[in-house]
Amino acid sequence: NAGVMQNPRHLVRRRGQEARLRCSPMKGHSHVYWYRQLPEEGLKFMVYLQKENIIDESGMPKERFSAEFPKEGPSILRIQQVVRGDSAAYFCASSPFKSRDRGNSPLHFGNGTRLTVT
Amino acid sequence: QKEVEQDPGPLSVPEGAIVSLNCTYSNSAFQYFMWYRQYSRKGPELLMYTYSSGNKEDGRFTAQVDKSSKYISLFIRDSQPSDSATYLCATLSGSARQLTFGSGTQLTVLP
Repeated sequence: NAGVMQNPRHLVRRRGQEARLRCSPMKGHSHVYWYRQLPEEGLKFMVYLQKENIIDESGMPKERFSAEFPKEGPSILRIQQVVRGDSAAYFCASSPFKSRDRGNSPLHFGNGTRLTVT
Repeated sequence: QKEVEQDPGPLSVPEGAIVSLNCTYSNSAFQYFMWYRQYSRKGPELLMYTYSSGNKEDGRFTAQVDKSSKYISLFIRDSQPSDSATYLCATLSGSARQLTFGSGTQLTVLP
């Protein structure tokens, strides 16, 4: 039973390029959360998606960042025109439950994508 | 004020010591509290969760919540070098019931 799979594990982009980060949730999970972890900081919530729907994007920067979770395929976090400040580890977590039904059931995290902007 | 505050450490202890990791939180409405462990270059993995106040024990780990003082703790007994990791406290908040994390405490257990 594969866990949450994220790829690539490491991504290097020059300033101004686009970064695409992929997340395949655990089998049977249709709810995905994206988090960002900056050096020396904890994980910060970015966005919560269900299949084909963005439910809560209150943690997403207003510009350059977007996320999707299509009916088929992985969830994608897209960062356009990357800047050095985007360098961070990006983690995806999944759940089989709607947020309000999740109670205390845990989120399962992937091992992250480490983005470096040069 | 951050919703969840955690002493970043680093904390270094000898093998076999009892470790105490602590967080405070600001919102009295928080009810679910978690501790995650994160090894270097890995994703966080859930260690413990508690609901409301009280203690919960699992092997060498004990999670404690004191809602009156908005204080959460994780105790590790008989610490092992394999316990060396960053420990993150977290609570559920927001309409998405997303996890709100502390900044993490880096623990090193010396053999």
